[in-house]
Amino acid sequence: NAGVTQTPKFQVLKTGQSMTLQCAQDMNHEYMSWYRQDPGMGLRLIHYSVGAGITDQGEVPNGYNVSRSTTEDFPLRLLSAAPSQTSVYFCASSLQTGRHEQYFGPGTRLTVT
Amino acid sequence: AQTVTQSQPEMSVQEAETVTLSCTYDTSESDYYLFWYKQPPSRQMILVIRQEAYKQQNATENRFSVNFQKAAKSFSLKISDSQLGDAAMYFCAYGGSNYKLTFGKGTLLTVNP
Repeated sequence: NAGVTQTPKFQVLKTGQSMTLQCAQDMNHEYMSWYRQDPGMGLRLIHYSVGAGITDQGEVPNGYNVSRSTTEDFPLRLLSAAPSQTSVYFCASSLQTGRHEQYFGPGTRLTVT
Repeated sequence: AQTVTQSQPEMSVQEAETVTLSCTYDTSESDYYLFWYKQPPSRQMILVIRQEAYKQQNATENRFSVNFQKAAKSFSLKISDSQLGDAAMYFCAYGGSNYKLTFGKGTLLTVNP
């Protein structure tokens, strides 16, 4: 099993550009989520999904969109990048709810200039 | 909403000695999970240990153990016989009934040879 994979590993965007961060898992996990990590802030939940076709907002959803058309994939879209979205982004998955440990991807470092 | 507090932004320990990282949380739920994650310089999030709130016995994983005080809402991590490879950022996290994992801001552990 590859576990949780994320692409790209690094990305530089200009303000106003859009892009999609890809996330896939091959463990048949129902629950998937996106976090951003900023210095001194820990990890903050952006969006999550409890199954295909179901998504919901986390703590910091503004400026991001998600969809979940399959169990395996959970892409994160930045509609119009802003410097405040410069961060490290992690995708994670788990069998069910937050009661189960989450498996993390390797992260994407995004810089918006 | 649940909150997780790690009051020690940085800690240091001598190789082979023992160190304890602190974590407190706030919740009104009675059934939940608590986690410690390790993030080395590689950026990968690694699960260190998990505690189920309904279990009175403290979890242990080799050199890692927790002191779980449910009434005090405290969940500290003890690392025994510290090794250079233990140097990392450590995050405490809470998983409850709302599908979300809430993280503390992290403690940076330095291991001195």
